[in-house]
Amino acid sequence: DAGITQSPRHKVTETGTPVTLRCHQTENHRYMYWYRQDPGHGLRLIHYSYGVKDTDKGEVSDGYSVSRSKTEDFLLTLESATSSQTSVYFCAISASGGTSGKETQYFGPGTRLLVL
Amino acid sequence: AQSVAQPEDQVNVAEGNPLTVKCTYSVSGNPYLFWYVQYPNRGLQFLLKYITGDNLVKGSYGFEAEFNKSQTSFHLKKPSALVSDSALYFCAVRDDKIIFGKGTRLHILP
Repeated sequence: DAGITQSPRHKVTETGTPVTLRCHQTENHRYMYWYRQDPGHGLRLIHYSYGVKDTDKGEVSDGYSVSRSKTEDFLLTLESATSSQTSVYFCAISASGGTSGKETQYFGPGTRLLVL
Repeated sequence: AQSVAQPEDQVNVAEGNPLTVKCTYSVSGNPYLFWYVQYPNRGLQFLLKYITGDNLVKGSYGFEAEFNKSQTSFHLKKPSALVSDSALYFCAVRDDKIIFGKGTRLHILP
């Protein structure tokens, strides 16, 4: 999976608790992304980062925050988890986010999150 | 606004037959188009992309895709399906950002 790891791989938590998911890359790519995958919706972008401490919102960012203090790590935090955030979360990386042709994204193995 | 559609939730093909997984798109500028595959309990894997040039793009595992500007389509094809091709396939389009389709589940029947 292109030098991308996600932790934890599985998590069960309760409504109202904070949850942090970690994405770690060894490719030194500039761009990192968090997606959620749900049946009937495909992949939807939550947040992305275009450099250390540079982040922006995706189409489903409500209830999520991110941080990137190092090139290799991108954290996704659910401040107060809700049942609607039960999903599979994927991290992705790319060398470019522009139109240079290098924007092919490479995905991590995913984290299954269940919010009870 | 950009969009991408995969009109079929599921496609069934007999092993050895040709397969096609459909994708149509809408963008305001020149499209950058991608196909990804997802095997069970794995992340998405890149198959191929169209940026510019030849309308027929060749990718991994014997897959190819045909870019058709007039029909705004980018269908994924393979001449002879294998059982191991059974997976979930995603089309994606990039205009100002990448948007993924909802996915098509491909079943190759032995």
